[in-house]
Amino acid sequence: SQQGEEDPQALSIQEGENATMNCSYKTSINNLQWYRQNSGRGLVHLILIRSNEREKHSGRLRVTLDTSKKSSSLLITASRAADTASYFCATDYGNNRLAFGKGNQVVVIP
Amino acid sequence: DGGITQSPKYLFRKEGQNVTLSCEQNLNHDAMYWYRQDPGQGLRLIYYSQIVNDFQKGDIAEGYSVSREKKESFPLTVTSAQKNPTAFYLCASSMGPRDRPYGYTFGSGTRLTVV
Repeated sequence: SQQGEEDPQALSIQEGENATMNCSYKTSINNLQWYRQNSGRGLVHLILIRSNEREKHSGRLRVTLDTSKKSSSLLITASRAADTASYFCATDYGNNRLAFGKGNQVVVIP
Repeated sequence: DGGITQSPKYLFRKEGQNVTLSCEQNLNHDAMYWYRQDPGQGLRLIYYSQIVNDFQKGDIAEGYSVSREKKESFPLTVTSAQKNPTAFYLCASSMGPRDRPYGYTFGSGTRLTVV
């Protein structure tokens, strides 16, 4: 099935460092979204970028979208221990449903 | 506070039993979704509903059933036909027409274990 694929799968960084993760997809999209999941909890919507946008910011989050390469990146600046979570990208192909990737596990070491 | 409530948080099922997972939202969202999450496999769509009294199969609907009799409620039944039901189940909802997309709001999940 069509869905986003995140890279890298797991990331371990020191507090204060930046964390970058990438997502690739297969066909044209309406928008791409990033979610965070803390262990054993539901997902929380972080940011949405539309297909006609190239970059978007929200607090310490920066998302880019390159439709020619069918890829997106999520940057978390000045990471904190509370950022430890799994991060998922999700693609909206315009069929009223989102396709989720397998997720990136990010560990921020205090 | 507005949100999505899933219950129970933990559920144990015996072989051959049907069980129903509850999902209720007070966000006035039109669309609701059920996902299954297994370790290392991300989220897979089971069923979704865009409007009351209508729903569609997702990618892994076999062994599951749903109903959407009220806008606020979208219960999922895991039937005995589902051979490997042990997983974390997530319910979500969304609003907005296609030209003003919004993100999904998720519940806190139900962990189902077959005993």
